[in-house]
Amino acid sequence: DAGVIQSPRHEVTEMGQEVTLRCKPISGHDYLFWYRQTMMRGLELLIYFNNNVPIDDSGMPEDRFSAKMPNASFSTLKIQPSEPRDSAVYFCASSFQWSGNSPLHFGNGTRLTVT
Amino acid sequence: EDKVVQSPLSLVVHEGDTVTLNCSYEVTNFRSLLWYKQEKKAPTFLFMLTSSGIEKKSGRLSSILDKKELFSILNITATQTGDSAVYLCAVEAFNKFYFGSGTKLNVKP
Repeated sequence: DAGVIQSPRHEVTEMGQEVTLRCKPISGHDYLFWYRQTMMRGLELLIYFNNNVPIDDSGMPEDRFSAKMPNASFSTLKIQPSEPRDSAVYFCASSFQWSGNSPLHFGNGTRLTVT
Repeated sequence: EDKVVQSPLSLVVHEGDTVTLNCSYEVTNFRSLLWYKQEKKAPTFLFMLTSSGIEKKSGRLSSILDKKELFSILNITATQTGDSAVYLCAVEAFNKFYFGSGTKLNVKP
């Protein structure tokens, strides 16, 4: 099992540019989560999907953020336009089922720096 | 407001010491509590606890949940430098996982 795969590992961009982060969940997992981690705020849930459908996007900070899951093996998180305060590590995680018996499995994250 | 609070925020010990990390929570529709270890990359899963009073153990690590008092502890005995990491506590509620801010453990040789 390859685990949750995220790309790119690092992204450095200038303010105003569009940024797209990518995630491939573990095969067979039907929940996918996007988290953002900063020193100040810790891990924050941005959005999660169940069977490719967005269920709760209340954590998405602004309209500049959008996420899609076109199929069971791929999701994107897009920031347009990016701002310096978006600099953080963005984690994608997946889980098998919402049963209280399935932990989250995290990808290695994308470290985003917006200058 | 649902919240998960971890203490201490950071801890420095020497190899061989025993440490206890704390996690308290106020979360509606509690389903489980999870502990993760985060070194330089992704958090890695340690334990999932759903029942009070049942200790889960893995090597030198152990954890227990008290659903009446709404807290959990993570114990690490005979600490090693490889235990240095941020330990995250998360509570799973209906449809969401709530994370604490973590305890940063530094084990010195």
